[in-house]
Amino acid sequence: ELKVEQNPLFLSMQEGKNYTIYCNYSTTSDRLYWYRQDPGKSLESLFVLLSNGAVKQEGRLMASLDTKARLSTLHITAAVHDLSATYFCAVVNSGNTPLVFGKGTRLSVIA
Amino acid sequence: DVKVTQSSRYLVKRTGEKVFLECVQDMDHENMFWYRQDPGLGLRLIYFSYDVKMKEKGDIPEGYSVSREKKERFSLILESASTNQTSMYLCASRLPMTAQHFGDGTRLSIL
Repeated sequence: ELKVEQNPLFLSMQEGKNYTIYCNYSTTSDRLYWYRQDPGKSLESLFVLLSNGAVKQEGRLMASLDTKARLSTLHITAAVHDLSATYFCAVVNSGNTPLVFGKGTRLSVIA
Repeated sequence: DVKVTQSSRYLVKRTGEKVFLECVQDMDHENMFWYRQDPGLGLRLIYFSYDVKMKEKGDIPEGYSVSREKKERFSLILESASTNQTSMYLCASRLPMTAQHFGDGTRLSIL
């Protein structure tokens, strides 16, 4: 059974600082997604990572994938308040199976 | 842009009632999903469907059923609502092997 673990689950960071969110998964996977959820809103797709060594970047967020370690990271550079949200990683076991989600990391960026 | 529309943002029902949550997508997606989201538990898959009239149980199907009579519409049914079904319900759709697109969610309270 595929399990997805994120850490930390809660993260309070100062504006301007860097930090990394980790996503571990338990079995081999075809692809990995990162989503963002603002309070009271739905989930928005941020990145999809398809292969070992894949790196995607948008603005202050950079996601990477190490399939051998079964690990993805979401790195935040010089955090700003607008990045405050809950971030989920989600993994597909194989083919067209549903996504399995981590529990999410609630990020709070404070001045 | 993909649009996934859930019929209600907020819903209050009484225990024992039969409750219908509706979801419609406008992008001719084959796959549709129902999740519930609870604090500390992340997103858990209730049911999904790969095509019209097809349905598959997810991780927590007990107390729920679904209907997919048309490709664009996927309904979640609470046969006899109970207080432990108070939750945020999220619908999603996708083309096979692509990112899932989520609706805005229905916050359901069972009194």
